[in-house]
Amino acid sequence: QSALTQPASVSGSPGQSITISCTGTSSDVGGYNYVSWYQQHPGKAPKLMIYDVSNRPSGVSNRFSGSKSGNTASLTVSGLQAEDEADYYCSSYTSTYTVVFGGGTKLTVL
Amino acid sequence: QVQLQESGPGLVKPSQTLSLTCTVSGDSISGGGYYWSWIRQHPGKGLEWIGYMYYSGNTHYNPSLKSRVTISVDTSKNQFSLKLSSVTAADTAVYFCARDGRVTGFDFWGQGTLVTVSS
Repeated sequence: QSALTQPASVSGSPGQSITISCTGTSSDVGGYNYVSWYQQHPGKAPKLMIYDVSNRPSGVSNRFSGSKSGNTASLTVSGLQAEDEADYYCSSYTSTYTVVFGGGTKLTVL
Repeated sequence: QVQLQESGPGLVKPSQTLSLTCTVSGDSISGGGYYWSWIRQHPGKGLEWIGYMYYSGNTHYNPSLKSRVTISVDTSKNQFSLKLSSVTAADTAVYFCARDGRVTGFDFWGQGTLVTVSS
């Protein structure tokens, strides 16, 4: 199975909004709503930020939002803050009962 | 609060079997409703899903690792385990265990444990 495709890096200034894309196929992202997004700070375990394409777990800021169109899912972070600087990963369930992650995107807050 | 904790050797020799255990607290593996997964991260790289199991024993593995991976459960200890055989330096990574609610994603993670494959 191939990893989902994410941009290697994105950046934005405090207060701005950024969007990270996650492109798969009709066998994963496009075929299911089981798309999740994770934030990982250096040396830490990943943290669930978005599940089921667009739902936020309790405690996650509403500055984080998710969406999907066709085979591409997106994570938008609005009102960028310094603490948002981290690596972000998408994941999807697949048609073969497996899970696939994206390659990760490094978000830099300028 | 659900907590997961990985344990096992931090150093494994090439060609041997890597064995890790994940102890779960705050939830019962045998309660159903969740899949219990292993995920790894090579140094400086992205996340790689290894496989998951359901409390019934049903398992699914990453096709690239399937021939070498076994995930099993000990419901009496509320633990699940990972065995990866015939390891090489390419298996050096931080290994995470996580709870997978499928719809709800990987909602709880262990802190991760670094396993180095070296003679």
